[in-house]
Parts: sequence; C-alpha cells; structure tokens
Amino acid sequence: DAKTTQPNSMESNEEEPVHLPCNHSTISGTDYIHWYRQLPSQGPEYVIHGLTSNVNNRMASLAIAEDRKSSTLILHRATLRDAAVYYCILRDGRDDKIIFGKGTRLHILP
Amino acid sequence: EAQVTQNPRYLITVTGKKLTVTCSQNMNHEYMSWYRQDPGLGLRQIYYSMNVEVTDKGDVPEGYKVSRKEKRNFPLILESPSPNQTSLYFCASSLPYYEQYFGPGTRLTVT
Repeated sequence: DAKTTQPNSMESNEEEPVHLPCNHSTISGTDYIHWYRQLPSQGPEYVIHGLTSNVNNRMASLAIAEDRKSSTLILHRATLRDAAVYYCILRDGRDDKIIFGKGTRLHILP
Repeated sequence: EAQVTQNPRYLITVTGKKLTVTCSQNMNHEYMSWYRQDPGLGLRQIYYSMNVEVTDKGDVPEGYKVSRKEKRNFPLILESPSPNQTSLYFCASSLPYYEQYFGPGTRLTVT
C-alpha cells in the first residue's frame, strides 16, 4: 500500500503563504491525493483532493508534481485558525482503502 | 444538518466486556470507515465499507468487528476489549473517493 511522508512540524507567520509538502513516491495511477486537517480536540476536516491536475478551492490549493510522486498544499494567507495537524493521504481508486500518515503540525506565529 | 454521529462519546470499560460504538450518517453515503488515533501514530484505518453488506479490513483490524446492515449505520464492535485498544476512535462517511465527513470521536478507555 502506498504511503506518504510529511515533515513532523512547520512554522509560518500569520498572513503569509504556507507550503506544506508531501512525498508519495510509491503512488499508483489510481490513487487520489487527499488533504485533511485536524484542529485541537476535533475530528479531521477535509481540505482538498486531486488526482493529476492542480486544484483550487476556497480553503487552499493543491499542487501535484508531474510524476505524482509529491504534492504541496498551499494556504495562501495563513491565519491563527489554520494552526492544526495537516494530513496528506492516498485514497486507493481501486478498493478505496485509506492510509493516513502522521501529518505535519503547523504552527502559526502572530 | 448533514452529520456523522457517534455514541457514546466517552466510555470507560473493563477488559473482556463486549462493547459496541455506534456510528450513523444522514448523507446517504455509500462509504463508511472507522479509525483509531493514538499519540505519535496518527490515524489508522480499522475497517471500511463501500456499501451495505460489504466490509474490508483496514490497517489495524485485529480485535475489532464491524457490520453494515443498513446504509446509514456502521457499528464498531469490540468482542473482548483489551487495554491496548484504549484510544480515540473516529467514524467517517463519504461518497466513494470523495471527501470524508468525520464524527466527533469516541474516547475509549479499557482498564
């Protein structure tokens, strides 16, 4: 099963863009790339997902490398409320099995 | 309101006493899943179901059972709980391959 690798933690200043990297070198052609975040004392919350092309929504952008072995979640203007653990996961397009990594704890400095 | 509900939210039990954690969703989602979350290990999938009467093992299925008799419900059953199953449990639902909606979590302590 394909797995993801993320930095344990990152720091960013408030109101600046944040780029959260994820490596998934064993990704298969049918795996979707999903990002979730988990705020303290809450369940995970969906952020964005994609298959091959870059994606944008109201929360963030997802940049997917051409070979799909890595991706980057972009928060365009971080706020204190974006402090959370961010998970990059692969969702198997064949059997829909899901593997979460350990995530990146994002700290936002005021 | 679209939501995933779990009950109970908190449970303290003793080793070997069978328990069931219920999960229900009102979004008519085909896909449902159970996860456990432990410090330093992140979220790990226990079981998932792609539709009624269809269930599959996730990464850590040992010691757990599930059933999917109705589309909206996906209970997690611990036939003989042990202390190493002390954890925070999340249920989630989605359309296949789309964003998952997570429940509020169930904190289980097995003594």
